[in-house]
Amino acid sequence: DSGVTQTPKHLITATGQRVTLRCSPRSGDLSVYWYQQSLDQGLQFLIQYYNGEERAKGNILERFSAQQFPDLHSELNLSSLELGDSALYFCASSVDRVTEQYFGPGTRLTVT
Amino acid sequence: GDSVTQMEGPVTLSEEAFLTINCTYTATGYPSLFWYVQYPGEGLQLLLKATKADDKGSNKGFEATYRKETTSFHLEKGSVQVSDSAVYFCALSDWLSSNDYKLSFGAGTTVTVRA
Repeated sequence: DSGVTQTPKHLITATGQRVTLRCSPRSGDLSVYWYQQSLDQGLQFLIQYYNGEERAKGNILERFSAQQFPDLHSELNLSSLELGDSALYFCASSVDRVTEQYFGPGTRLTVT
Repeated sequence: GDSVTQMEGPVTLSEEAFLTINCTYTATGYPSLFWYVQYPGEGLQLLLKATKADDKGSNKGFEATYRKETTSFHLEKGSVQVSDSAVYFCALSDWLSSNDYKLSFGAGTTVTVRA
């Protein structure tokens, strides 16, 4: 158990819908990262927050957004969902912006 | 950008066999290197890491040495168990700025150990 929690574990929704994935970092970690794991793209970095501030964006679609709250938990919002958004979404956290990242168990999103 | 290439699987071994998974990287700077493991139905777990050339990371009987001259970070274990069956990912720290990095992952290698 890495100490990073993610909810929900599974999510099934229809195309065009909007969902919110939640992540709680390890106690004391200020940095949160989101990654997407899909069969065709592998593991791809989406976005990073540090102490509430967005620090970096990767291959994140405009339909996706995220934020980190004062209590340091983070939410990833996915809207206008398409079939191709079906994937495992991982959250990772680290103490700061340079140390190793620890991953949560992931949220499996299925878009039907 | 920086990238990682790891050997394709799947790899099937018998218990107590020797395991090697090759990983090479391309980077403009001096990344840290990692091996993550994903057991069936679970998330990614950090297995080991190395932060500079000639560093050896080790954990749970697994080892990997950061070789700058060959840009490699091969994972090895001398005697595998059925419980080592998992997908193994090689990754590097791809620096986005002087103080922020993302992980760039290889495609993953599926390892199955038979009793």
